[in-house]
Order: sequence, then structure tokens, then C-alpha cells
Amino acid sequence: GESVGLHLPTLSVQEGDNSIINCAYSNSASDYFIWYKQESGKGPQFIIDIRSNMDKRQGQRVTVLLNKTVKHLSLQIAATQPGDSAVYFCAENGGQTGANNLFFGTGTRLTVIP
Amino acid sequence: KAGVTQTPRYLIKTRGQQVTLSCSPISGHRSVSWYQQTPGQGLQFLFEYFSETQRNKGNFPGRFSGRQFSNSRSEMNVSTLELGDSALYLCASNHMTGANTEAFFGQGTRLTVV
Repeated sequence: GESVGLHLPTLSVQEGDNSIINCAYSNSASDYFIWYKQESGKGPQFIIDIRSNMDKRQGQRVTVLLNKTVKHLSLQIAATQPGDSAVYFCAENGGQTGANNLFFGTGTRLTVIP
Repeated sequence: KAGVTQTPRYLIKTRGQQVTLSCSPISGHRSVSWYQQTPGQGLQFLFEYFSETQRNKGNFPGRFSGRQFSNSRSEMNVSTLELGDSALYLCASNHMTGANTEAFFGQGTRLTVV
């Protein structure tokens, strides 16, 4: 079966610092990866995605890095703000074109300390 | 453009009962996926519907079923409820862009089985 896991369940960072959230996956066929942010009482919110033909993609204050050799994915958040406090999930598509059924990691809770 | 609407937001049911949850995807999106989120198992894929047909199914018992209507609205049904079915049920409205699909989640329906 699919296995998408996270190295750390919780992460606390000072406001203004950079955050790095890690994720490991096991399916070498996976070719599309997504990071989601979930705030309390809300559904997951898309942050950034990356295809397997890339190793880095940048968005606004966020960067996703993909290392296919070791099946590792990371999300970097620059200048972390209190509004970034949430649970972050990585997800992958299991090698299926499109992402209509995603396999999610267990999540990392990011707490930003003012 | 309206987002993904899930109803009801909260539901309390008794063991043995059945429940129907509803999801209205973003206008123009023809694919809807359902997920179950629990603290212990995280986010797990239930099934996906496209143009009124179930295209993919996760590893859940037959008590979990769904359907999609011609207007893309989807329902999921859980029969003979068990305590372990207590969860946040999330619907994703899938927007296909070439080889990738971006999933937009609703706020979810919080089901409590007592």
C-alpha cells in the first residue's frame, strides 16, 4: 500500500524564522506531490505542488524541494508568520495521472511563536 | 466563484443508523473525491466520481458508498454506522489541468457516532 509519512509530528518556530517541514514517501511511481495547509475547523488548503520532473519549485514565501533518490519532499516557509500556524500535509498521487485520489502523510503541526 | 460546499457541517448519529453527506463542487468541476480524516488514520481516500461514475475507490468497506448527479453534486452514504466512523469527511472538487489535478477541499462534515 501507499506510505507517505512525516519525520516530525510537531514543529515550533519563532516568528520571522524559516520553517522546514519534511515528508517521506515510499511509492517510486509517484510523480506528483502537493503540500496542503489545514487550519482548525477548515479543510486542507492547497499551498504548492511539484511534478517529479522537477526538484524545486517556488511560490510566495514557500519552496518545495523534491529528492526522488531518497523519496523525500520538503516544504520551506520563509519568514514564518503567526498565520502560518496550522497542520501541514504532504500528498502524492501514487503514480496515477492527475491527483483525483491522493495519499496523504500524517501531518506536521507548525506552531509559530510570536 | 463559490467554493466547495459540504452539508451538513456537523452531524451526530447513533450506532446502526445510516447517514448521507452532500458535496457541491466548484462550478465547472466534474470530478469529486471523498476523504475520511481521523486523528489515528489521517486523511484517507474513500472514492472519486467523475461524470456520475465512480472511477476510483479506496480501501473502505461496502458500508461506504457514494453517487454523483448530473450537476456534479455528490453524496456519500454510510450505512450501519460504527463508533469508528466518527470522523471529518472531506470532499474535494478536482480541477484537471493537463496531467495534473488540483484538489480544492470543502470545510468538511464532522460526523460523530454515539
